[in-house]
Amino acid sequence: QLQLQESGPGLVKASETLSLTCTVSGASISSSNYYWGWIRQPPGKRLEWIGTIFYSGRSYYNPSLKSRVTIFVDTSKNQFSVKVNSVTAADTAVYYCARRRGGSYPGANGFDFWGQGTMVSVFS
Amino acid sequence: QSVLTQPPSASGTPGQRVTISCSGSNSNIGSNYVYWYQQLPGTAPKLLIYRNDQRPSGVPDRFSGSKSGTSASLAISGLRSEDEADYHCAAWDDSLSGWVFGGGTKLTVL
Repeated sequence: QLQLQESGPGLVKASETLSLTCTVSGASISSSNYYWGWIRQPPGKRLEWIGTIFYSGRSYYNPSLKSRVTIFVDTSKNQFSVKVNSVTAADTAVYYCARRRGGSYPGANGFDFWGQGTMVSVFS
Repeated sequence: QSVLTQPPSASGTPGQRVTISCSGSNSNIGSNYVYWYQQLPGTAPKLLIYRNDQRPSGVPDRFSGSKSGTSASLAISGLRSEDEADYHCAAWDDSLSGWVFGGGTKLTVL
């Protein structure tokens, strides 16, 4: 069955780079039917979409984070990753990776399967 | 940044019917599908309703979704204690070219 598992450091120093990886099992990340995304939830706040990537490497990002975020895919490992540069306390959140079925436009299908999430805290 | 607006809390007694609203704008709910997620304490969001009113397999028919104009609603009938969770709405936003989420509604079963 499908599983998405986030991994990475739980603590990141302010001004440094946050790096997380999502390992997909039970499905191929190279499927043309799906997109893969990152969403985060700061403590007590709403979910925030970070960005989405296709297996080809085509990606798109939340404009509010675009200057600091990169998402990339490693099809050989069936993984995709996110990097957030120059982190501050505002980047402290639970980070989720998730899958979205493709469609005629990005909003045609929402994220239908999520990883369990990983908490990342930024310290100074 | 465009956002969706939900009431912070809702409550009901077992067996009751409760509704949770989600208000947006023409650029998101007004022109795109709405999705609803259930988030039990300490767990990841689970897709509850997709494309406004469709239920994934395994989701009880006690859960239903609707949309009208720039607003959407999630209804839960025959309320059960296990329905106590946070509920989030989401939609694609054409102006943002990205996904937007509501602030979440904490449902308490009294």
